[in-house]
Amino acid sequence: EADIYQTPRYLVIGTGKKITLECSQTMGHDKMYWYQQDPGMELHLIHYSYGVNSTEKGDLSSESTVSRIRTEHFPLTLESARPSHTSQYLCASNLAGLSYEQYFGPGTRLTVT
Amino acid sequence: AQSVAQPEDQVNVAEGNPLTVKCTYSVSGNPYLFWYVQYPNRGLQFLLKYITGDNLVKGSYGFEAEFNKSQTSFHLKKPSALVSDSALYFCAVRVSGNTGKLIFGQGTTLQVKP
Repeated sequence: EADIYQTPRYLVIGTGKKITLECSQTMGHDKMYWYQQDPGMELHLIHYSYGVNSTEKGDLSSESTVSRIRTEHFPLTLESARPSHTSQYLCASNLAGLSYEQYFGPGTRLTVT
Repeated sequence: AQSVAQPEDQVNVAEGNPLTVKCTYSVSGNPYLFWYVQYPNRGLQFLLKYITGDNLVKGSYGFEAEFNKSQTSFHLKKPSALVSDSALYFCAVRVSGNTGKLIFGQGTTLQVKP
């Protein structure tokens, strides 16, 4: 198992609430990623970061935002949760370089009622 | 455009039989290819990768994959399937450039029956 952690693992929350999904890694990886995994199980990249103070939007448009103030920490925030945000959110990281695979956290399953 | 395709939504095999999960890719330049496995309510676990060198790559849990440049394929294989191999499998290709981004296939559910 890789040293990448996500909290909470499961979250049920009402519409309109602000939420932050936490992701931390202790491997010193400079690159980090957030994926959304829909019920059909496909993975969609929603945010990524090259390093501290660097964030980019991914291939799938998302209403969430991210920050990277510390190398090991890459939280994702939804200002106002909606039922359409119900999904599994996976965080991943890797080292710079062509040959390095991404390591994934266990995921956060979010349900917005 | 770079892409990955897993043509089978589900693969069913009997325990003890060989298994193959198919993956084809489309990239410009040399491909960097990966296989991941996902068990229920878990994140993805890295199985193996092809970067360069021998076309047959060995990975975790007895899995291997064969890189075929002419057919642009990277099929995952195991000589003898176990019931515990039942899971969701993803093939991925690294996007060219320095982002480290991966493009994933849609996933294939492997069902191994006793």
